[in-house]
Amino acid sequence: DVKVTQSSRYLVKRTGEKVFLECVQDMDHENMFWYRQDPGLGLRLIYFSYDVKMKEKGDIPEGYSVSREKKERFSLILESASTNQTSMYLCASSFGQGGTYEQYFGPGTRLTVT
Amino acid sequence: GESVGLHLPTLSVQEGDNSIINCAYSNSASDYFIWYKQESGKGPQFIIDIRSNMDKRQGQRVTVLLNKTVKHLSLQIAATQPGDSAVYFCADRTPAQYNNNDMRFGAGTRLTVKP
Repeated sequence: DVKVTQSSRYLVKRTGEKVFLECVQDMDHENMFWYRQDPGLGLRLIYFSYDVKMKEKGDIPEGYSVSREKKERFSLILESASTNQTSMYLCASSFGQGGTYEQYFGPGTRLTVT
Repeated sequence: GESVGLHLPTLSVQEGDNSIINCAYSNSASDYFIWYKQESGKGPQFIIDIRSNMDKRQGQRVTVLLNKTVKHLSLQIAATQPGDSAVYFCADRTPAQYNNNDMRFGAGTRLTVKP
């Protein structure tokens, strides 16, 4: 079974802090994604990566950056956390070949910025 | 921009009844669709998918129907059980979005099963 793990389930940070959210997948997937999930807004794509050291902006990249130094690991960085970044953050990975696009999700990190 | 959305944010059904969750999409170029289930405290999990060259696909107790004419997708759950209580998302893929692996998600419908 594909397993996607996220470093923290719950995180509380202060405004202005630098925040790192880590995601690791164990299925050698090419693609990795970071979403945030807010009530009524569904999942919104922040960034994705289709290869090591490659990244593409999603719909809401402002205030975030990412790092993919190894294939299995995709990090989301909040350079200076703000209260409007309080949200559930979901990481996902996908194989992306052979016509299947299913994304496998981690359990999520609920981030609160105070 | 174009997006995937859901008709109803909540749905309540009696245990044993059939459930139908609807989804409208706006991009006629979308060629692949997935339904996900998200239980409380967990990430979304794949339920079933369908390609645009199909109208219907069945899984275990679930059926997805695709109507490309009106750009509508539905998920039918037969004999709904308490364990089916969750938020259900549809997602679509349009080849022109970023790369070929980007999916777009609707806001979700919360299904509650009453005993």
